[in-house]
Amino acid sequence: GQQLNQSPQSMFIQEGEDVSMNCTSSSIFNTWLWYKQDPGEGPVLLIALYKAGELTSNGRLTAQFGITRKDSFLNISASIPSDVGIYFCAGQLSYIPTFGRGTSLIVHP
Amino acid sequence: EAGVVQSPRYKIIEKKQPVAFWCNPISGHNTLYWYLQNLGQGPELLIRYENEEAVDDSQLPKDRFSAERLKGVDSTLKIQPAELGDSAVYLCASSLGRAGDEQFFGPGTRLTVL
Repeated sequence: GQQLNQSPQSMFIQEGEDVSMNCTSSSIFNTWLWYKQDPGEGPVLLIALYKAGELTSNGRLTAQFGITRKDSFLNISASIPSDVGIYFCAGQLSYIPTFGRGTSLIVHP
Repeated sequence: EAGVVQSPRYKIIEKKQPVAFWCNPISGHNTLYWYLQNLGQGPELLIRYENEEAVDDSQLPKDRFSAERLKGVDSTLKIQPAELGDSAVYLCASSLGRAGDEQFFGPGTRLTVL
């Protein structure tokens, strides 16, 4: 099935560094979602974006919905060890999200 | 409030054997989803239920996969017979039922087919 283009595939950073990841699609979406998945768990929603150009923050997380409605980015500031996990973007038209392949984040203390 | 419950958490079977997964959604959530997640990939939808009705099952391989949600609450997903390529994590999610409502995922069932 279709998967969005998400990059980078993995990141290895030091605690305290900022992180940026992005997602692109050839299709237009009405909603962009960012999830985090810990090992052995299901994805958990971090941020939802509903309008083109929308910039939304949730604590140390900031995400933006691209103007073309075909892309989004997620920034994490001042990373901490518990940020470790796999981050997925997802574009959604109505009920069903189309997921990216994920960005694996490792934070070294 | 309890989240989405799935069982078993892990299952190891030999190919050609049948297997079933069970999901109990969050109370009051009308919409239930089954996803397949292969290693290194994001989840992909298999089937979506609105109450007891399957409203989107175009991605479900119907020759070997089946699902039911008889009373509009719990759901089971079955594979018969299982193939080696079915090894993956099977995720269940639920939502209130309006388009755009947040989906809450269960922990998944990790299936290994030998």
